[in-house]
Amino acid sequence: AQTVTQSQPEMSVQEAETVTLSCTYDTSESDYYLFWYKQPPSRQMILVIRQEAYKQQNATENRFSVNFQKAAKSFSLKISDSQLGDAAMYFCAYRRRSARQLTFGSGTQLTVLP
Amino acid sequence: DAGVTQSPTHLIKTRGQQVTLRCSPKSGHDTVSWYQQALGQGPQFIFQYYEEEERQRGNFPDRFSGHQFPNYSSELNVNALLLGDSALYLCASSSLGGLKPPGAFFGQGTRLTVV
Repeated sequence: AQTVTQSQPEMSVQEAETVTLSCTYDTSESDYYLFWYKQPPSRQMILVIRQEAYKQQNATENRFSVNFQKAAKSFSLKISDSQLGDAAMYFCAYRRRSARQLTFGSGTQLTVLP
Repeated sequence: DAGVTQSPTHLIKTRGQQVTLRCSPKSGHDTVSWYQQALGQGPQFIFQYYEEEERQRGNFPDRFSGHQFPNYSSELNVNALLLGDSALYLCASSSLGGLKPPGAFFGQGTRLTVV
């Protein structure tokens, strides 16, 4: 079974600084997707960024980028120029390409300090 | 363009009762997945509906059942409620059985409290 581990229950960052959230996963598959979702207090899960395992290039979406290390099964999220609106719970998630379900980690609560 | 909508937003039920939660997918989506998110944890997959059939199921008992209607909306039913069923229930919609990128779009969830 696939598992996703987020070892940082809480992180904090100063506004305008950079922060990196860690995620590791365990799978025997070679073709899969990895995701970072943001869940603010409004509770709605918002897709931040997506990485396809067969693509070696790390995904980037504006201030958000990932460091995907396939051999190490590591998938970290870097948030640059942090803003107050980035404060939320962040979840790392995995989906085997042919599967229908997402497997989530336990989340990292990010606090942005003014 | 309406996103994924869920109703109700909150509800309180007594142990042993039955509950029905509802979800309307994002316009253009035909697949609905349900997740249970206990307090302080990541969401856990319950099941997915596509073409009005349950396509995949997570590790949840038969007390959890669902339905998908011809307009792609979906219901989640939980019978014989237990205290441990208290959680945020999230609905996610996607296209083509959920296998097509970019992936799932989530609603704001239904907070269920069992007392």
